[in-house]
Amino acid sequence: QKEVEQNSGPLSVPEGAIASLNCTYSDRGSQSFFWYRQYSGKSPELIMSIYSNGDKEDGRFTAQLNKASQYVSLLIRDSQPSDSATYLCAVPPAGTALIFGKGTTLSVSS
Amino acid sequence: DAGVIQSPRHEVTEMGQEVTLRCKPISGHDYLFWYRQTMMRGLELLIYFNNNVPIDDSGMPEDRFSAKMPNASFSTLKIQPSEPRDSAVYFCASSSGMNTEAFFGQGTRLTVV
Repeated sequence: QKEVEQNSGPLSVPEGAIASLNCTYSDRGSQSFFWYRQYSGKSPELIMSIYSNGDKEDGRFTAQLNKASQYVSLLIRDSQPSDSATYLCAVPPAGTALIFGKGTTLSVSS
Repeated sequence: DAGVIQSPRHEVTEMGQEVTLRCKPISGHDYLFWYRQTMMRGLELLIYFNNNVPIDDSGMPEDRFSAKMPNASFSTLKIQPSEPRDSAVYFCASSSGMNTEAFFGQGTRLTVV
């Protein structure tokens, strides 16, 4: 069974710090990787996608992918209270739809 | 585009009743997905369609659940009869390709009492 694993948290960081979120996946055939943010009572919202090994930066967000280790991470620099949410890692196993991890809850304190 | 549109936003029904959830995907998207989210199990894929054809329904929990996509702009998820354990948030999402990002609707919060 294809799986996507995340630490459930909560992950607590002070305002201005770096938050590091991690995800592992089981299907070596996966070719694309996504991070979604979900505020309480809202729907998941795409914030980052990554397709190649290495880092991809977008503003305060950096996604890191290591296919050999089947590991993808999300770094949030200069964390803000508005970043407090649940972050979902999503990976499509080869030939099928997005499978989501259970999410990591991030709390940023001011 | 208005994004993925789901209705109703909230549904409260009695056990044993039929429930129908509706979804309009983003125009031009060939893939449509139905997910269910609970605290215990997270976001689970129920079924997905490609060009209106059901491709994988292995996530549908029981025969009480059924889904249709009669055309490119409309899909339904039906539960008959509903049970309290079906209470969850049901999301519809669409995408332009299998390995591309999916865009979610606002969800339907279903409560079965």
